[in-house]
Amino acid sequence: NAGVTQTPKFQVLKTGQSMTLQCAQDMNHEYMSWYRQDPGMGLRLIHYSVGAGITDQGEVPNGYNVSRSTTEDFPLRLLSAAPSQTSVYFCASSYRTSGSSYEQYFGPGTRLTVT
Amino acid sequence: AQSVAQPEDQVNVAEGNPLTVKCTYSVSGNPYLFWYVQYPNRGLQFLLKYITGDNLVKGSYGFEAEFNKSQTSFHLKKPSALVSDSALYFCAVRPSGGSNYKLTFGKGTLLTVNP
Repeated sequence: NAGVTQTPKFQVLKTGQSMTLQCAQDMNHEYMSWYRQDPGMGLRLIHYSVGAGITDQGEVPNGYNVSRSTTEDFPLRLLSAAPSQTSVYFCASSYRTSGSSYEQYFGPGTRLTVT
Repeated sequence: AQSVAQPEDQVNVAEGNPLTVKCTYSVSGNPYLFWYVQYPNRGLQFLLKYITGDNLVKGSYGFEAEFNKSQTSFHLKKPSALVSDSALYFCAVRPSGGSNYKLTFGKGTLLTVNP
C-alpha cells in the first residue's frame, strides 16, 4: 500500500511552459485534492474532486486545471507557468463515506520553481 | 465561510517542558478538527482529530488536544516536549454536516524545542 504518491519531486520551469503534476492513491479514496503551500500562507486549496468525473474549484484555482478520469489518479495541469506559481504542491485523498471525518492523507509534495 | 487562526507563528520551548500550540476556528454548525505536523521537506502527517465525544483527544507521539466549544478553540498540547517535536504544526477544520468536504488550514505554527 503506497498511499498517496506524487511525481516529480522537484521541477524547474520557464515562464510560459506547461506541465502536469501527477498524483495517485491506492486506497480507493473518493475525495482527492490539491493544495499549494507558500511561506506564511499555510495550505490553500486549488482544486478538489469528490469522485471520478467530478471536480470543483478551491480557493486559488486560477492558472490550474484538473481532471479525474479514474478513482486513483488526479493530475494537476499548469497550462502556462508563471513565477507566482512557484510553490510546494501537495496532493491529498480521503474517504467520502457517510459519517466519515474525512481525515486526509497527504503525498510527499512537489517543489516547483518557475523562472 | 470556515476559517482557522493560529495566533503564534513560532513557539519556543525547552526540552522537557510542556508545550501548547494554539488554534481557534470558525465554522457553521459542529466542527471536525484536525492537527497535522510537517517535518522539514516532508508532507503533512496526521496527528489527531476531534469528531465528537470527549473534549480531550489523544493522538500520535504523546500529543493531545482539548476541544473547547464555547471558546471555539482546539489547542494542541504535550506534557513534556522533545527536540524531535520541532516541526511545523497545522490546525484544520471542516463542518461536520452537509456535503462540504473541504478542509481549511491555519497558517501554521513553527515549534522549536531547545535542548
